[in-house]
Amino acid sequence: AQSVSQHNHHVILSEAASLELGCNYSYGGTVNLFWYVQYPGQHLQLLLKYFSGDPLVKGIKGFEAEFIKSKFSFNLRKPSVQWSDTAEYFCAVLDTGGGNKLTFGTGTQLKVEL
Amino acid sequence: DGGITQSPKYLFRKEGQNVTLSCEQNLNHDAMYWYRQDPGQGLRLIYYSQIVNDFQKGDIAEGYSVSREKKESFPLTVTSAQKNPTAFYLCATAGIRQGDSNQPQHFGDGTRLSIL
Repeated sequence: AQSVSQHNHHVILSEAASLELGCNYSYGGTVNLFWYVQYPGQHLQLLLKYFSGDPLVKGIKGFEAEFIKSKFSFNLRKPSVQWSDTAEYFCAVLDTGGGNKLTFGTGTQLKVEL
Repeated sequence: DGGITQSPKYLFRKEGQNVTLSCEQNLNHDAMYWYRQDPGQGLRLIYYSQIVNDFQKGDIAEGYSVSREKKESFPLTVTSAQKNPTAFYLCATAGIRQGDSNQPQHFGDGTRLSIL
């Protein structure tokens, strides 16, 4: 079975700092990767997705992620975070067994301080 | 997403009681999913359904049951056999187009279940 690892469980940054959240997956074949965000009191929202093509994927709200196949990684980045980016971030990989199932990482709680 | 309605928002269960969580969607999506979210554990798949009258177990199906009698609805029952039901439950949907199985999932606002 596929697995997803998010190594940073809690991250605290000051506004304007740069952000990079790690995500590693276990499957070596073709992968479809996602980053979701859950703002306090809100539902999970899709930040960005990678299916194929350009390994640098741009998402909403200034986020981007880079797919590096040799490192099995799909790290999320933002050059300058804002207080409103405080949220929990989940990396996910599409299950290759069909059913459009997702396997999620354990999440990273980001707190941005003013 | 506005197209996925989960109810109730908060639910309390007594020992030995079955409770049912509702998930309704108007997105015309074929696939529906139930996840359980626990702090520090991310989201884990309970059950999913790709078509009416058919569903499959996910990674943690024990103590749960589902039905899919209508495309729009995918209720989840937390049975008394689930010994640790306190969690946040999320319903998701996804469109499945022929030849294109990687549509992103859309999520509801969730139901928080607690034990009395």
